[in-house]
Amino acid sequence: GAGVSQSPSNKVTEKGKDVELRCDPISGHTALYWYRQSLGQGLEFLIYFQGNSAPDKSGLPSDRFSAERTGGSVSTLTIQRTQQEDSAVYLCASSLGRATEAFFGQGTRLTVV
Amino acid sequence: SQELEQSPQSLIVQEGKNLTINCTSSKTLYGLYWYKQKYGEGLIFLMMLQKGGEEKSHEKITAKLDEKKQQSSLHITASQPSHAGIYLCGADMVTGANSKLTFGKGITLSVRP
Repeated sequence: GAGVSQSPSNKVTEKGKDVELRCDPISGHTALYWYRQSLGQGLEFLIYFQGNSAPDKSGLPSDRFSAERTGGSVSTLTIQRTQQEDSAVYLCASSLGRATEAFFGQGTRLTVV
Repeated sequence: SQELEQSPQSLIVQEGKNLTINCTSSKTLYGLYWYKQKYGEGLIFLMMLQKGGEEKSHEKITAKLDEKKQQSSLHITASQPSHAGIYLCGADMVTGANSKLTFGKGITLSVRP
């Protein structure tokens, strides 16, 4: 595709359920980032992939959060046993690597009820 | 603590006025990015600065990176309602061989017609 694609665009889930968010980066982009943005807050760094490996997982809020990337392309962010405080917009970005422009998807708005 | 501090937190200006917003880091910046975000949407790339003293312009927006590479300013000339939105600065916070693209909390700009 022409840009970074995220799905679903909106997700409403019940507290305690697991959710899976998907990110399709721009073809050829080796770097992939996940961020979380809550109302009135900036972008909270979650995890960064270089290829299929995640050298920096420092931003994952708890062990309920996990992410993987396969084939150096699609990435999924999984949140287990969702809590209300997980409600936010989850943004994905990809780039050719360090010191290059990162392109963002439109985000997945997650609401935990 | 926030690695990137943006100021002011919010700004309201009259259409046609000039304005400047800032982004300050306590660490040396290896790449500084400015993005704009409309509420509920993804981030749109504006400019990237890498070299100390570098200045870039696009239409009525000019961004500078200071010589010590720890602060950047973004200046808008003759502001228009289309300039309204959230302006975020992001930076490569290099940790060893890895890149961590970190963002400030953003500055909300409103332009009164």
